[in-house]
Amino acid sequence: GGIITQTPKFLIGQEGQKLTLKCQQNFNHDTMYWYRQDSGKGLRLIYYSITENDLQKGDLSEGYDASREKKSSFSLTVTSAQKNEMAVFLCASSMSQNTLYFGAGTRLSVL
Amino acid sequence: GDSVTQTEGLVTLTEGLPVMLNCTYQTIYSNAFLFWYVHYLNESPWLLLRSSTDNKRTEHQGFHATLHKSSSSFHLQKSSAQLSDSALYYCALSDGTGGYKVVFGSGTRLLVSP
Repeated sequence: GGIITQTPKFLIGQEGQKLTLKCQQNFNHDTMYWYRQDSGKGLRLIYYSITENDLQKGDLSEGYDASREKKSSFSLTVTSAQKNEMAVFLCASSMSQNTLYFGAGTRLSVL
Repeated sequence: GDSVTQTEGLVTLTEGLPVMLNCTYQTIYSNAFLFWYVHYLNESPWLLLRSSTDNKRTEHQGFHATLHKSSSSFHLQKSSAQLSDSALYYCALSDGTGGYKVVFGSGTRLLVSP
């Protein structure tokens, strides 16, 4: 079995700040994803990556950057945190038939 | 683009009653994969069911769903709800073209009470 580790678990930022979330997987999966979870809006895809150094925009990519420098890691940057923003960011990976394996999430609060 | 619709944001049930969570989808691709993921509080979401075969019932852990391409539906059912079924349930779609984009619905929170 494998595991997906997201760091940090909790992230508190200031308005306008650039914030980076990290994700590591040891499944040896090719594809990795970042989703944002908001109550009542489900999971919205921010970025995904098919392989190392590949980046694909999802439906919610504006305001975010991503980086996939290694197969095992996928980071997400909030380019300018919005005041009173609260959300959970979920990282996932997959190999075949699109079954996603998720991390535990990073909970973001912006003061 | 592809989309998934879950019409109920919250479903409340008494233990022992049947469960049905609705999921409909839109895609132009005929070989789409449909999924149900479950997200328990303080855990990571995980795959409950998946299917790409029309009119075939898929079962796991007491839950079942049948993909109906004619009506673009993949409703999740269980004959008798348990307290431990209380969770957030997401329906999701992959278009099956070999692409990697997976689109989720807005989720349905199921609350089962004694």
